[in-house]
Amino acid sequence: DAGITQSPRHKVTETGTPVTLRCHQTENHRYMYWYRQDPGHGLRLIHYSYGVKDTDKGEVSDGYSVSRSKTEDFLLTLESATSSQTSVYFCAISTASTDTQYFGPGTRLTVL
Amino acid sequence: ILNVEQSPQSLHVQEGDSTNFTCSFPSSNFYALHWYRWETAKSPEALFVMTLNGDEKKKGRISATLNTKEGYSYLYIKGSQPEDSATYLCALNPNTGNQFYFGTGTSLTVIP
Repeated sequence: DAGITQSPRHKVTETGTPVTLRCHQTENHRYMYWYRQDPGHGLRLIHYSYGVKDTDKGEVSDGYSVSRSKTEDFLLTLESATSSQTSVYFCAISTASTDTQYFGPGTRLTVL
Repeated sequence: ILNVEQSPQSLHVQEGDSTNFTCSFPSSNFYALHWYRWETAKSPEALFVMTLNGDEKKKGRISATLNTKEGYSYLYIKGSQPEDSATYLCALNPNTGNQFYFGTGTSLTVIP
């Protein structure tokens, strides 16, 4: 485990509520990523960060925002959760965009 | 969005059998290809990074080959064991941008 934690690990929430997921790393890696995993789709990139306050959109960014105010923390926010955002969310880190990505344990989010 | 395809989607083999599966990607966008092993209820674990045409990598009973000109990589497992049961993901690291593009994985079940 490459020093990556995610919190919470499980969350159940209601449609329309805001939700924030946290990814924390102790490796001082520059790049951090948020993915969602859904049956039939594999891992899809939501947003990523290439440094403090530097972020960019991925393939499925609609309905999500991110922030990175410190190297070690990358936050994913669902401003107003919808049932289509029920998924397992994985954070990953890497030293460079071309290097192996190391994954956190995942957060299972259920939106009712 | 770059299309990375894996086949077959799922595979059941008997313990002791050797098996292989395929990852296909657009050859014109290639920089590196990553293979991951993903056990149920865990996070993806890096197996190999492959960058050169003709690359062969090996880790125990698992090996992989790469053909960047035709855009495919094979993953081989020799003498499959029940502990090899997992989903095997490949990810394309293209020559532009900062993203990986994951395939949907091959789910391997090894029957004792």
